[in-house]
Amino acid sequence: DIQMTQSPSTLSASVGDRVTITCRASQSISSWLAWYQQKPGKAPKLLIYKASSLESGVPSRFSGSGSGTEFTLTISSLQPDDFATYYCQQYNSYSSLTFGGGTKVEIK
Amino acid sequence: EVQLVESGGGLVQPGGSLRLSCAASGFTFSSYSMNWVRQAPGKGLEWVSYISSSSSTIYYADSVKGRFTISRDNAKNSLYLQMNSLRAEDTAVYYCARVPPTIRPGYFDYWGQGTLVTVSS
Repeated sequence: DIQMTQSPSTLSASVGDRVTITCRASQSISSWLAWYQQKPGKAPKLLIYKASSLESGVPSRFSGSGSGTEFTLTISSLQPDDFATYYCQQYNSYSSLTFGGGTKVEIK
Repeated sequence: EVQLVESGGGLVQPGGSLRLSCAASGFTFSSYSMNWVRQAPGKGLEWVSYISSSSSTIYYADSVKGRFTISRDNAKNSLYLQMNSLRAEDTAVYYCARVPPTIRPGYFDYWGQGTLVTVSS
């Protein structure tokens, strides 16, 4: 199975900060990576697919980049609604989909 | 509006069985592949199983292979997960999730609200 490693596991930031979360794959996954946002008690919400494609309706302050084994999710200016946990997910290996361990973005 | 509503969760003893359902509405269910994804309390997301739109292709995570069975009824717009030989480590919120019909499927554009399965004596 392809392992996905996110860093950091927790991030403290202030409103207006630029935030970057990293996701590394144990082998190349081309650009087959998605990012989700999850708030407590809620289902995950799709933000980014194919590493850098913004899902319809998602604010443009969210962006994704990377290919191969290293990927980043960037929030250009953190808003109060963005405090949540973020997960990456690979879909290069369709018979065995895997998620990263998550990054919790907390208020500093 | 796309809606996915899970049901069937609850408390079950180790070794027991449970059948989860996911009722879909607001889209042509028979045209979409579907998945189950779970999340143990306080933990991350874990993919469980995939079924193609026609049920011709099915995949399972190694952790549930041989114990869980995914199925669907396109006439009833419903997805199912039959869970047998349940273990404490199967305790989680179970989400059904839709796969968009893209060139390379595998991510999830809509999720249900989840149903909690607790395996305990």
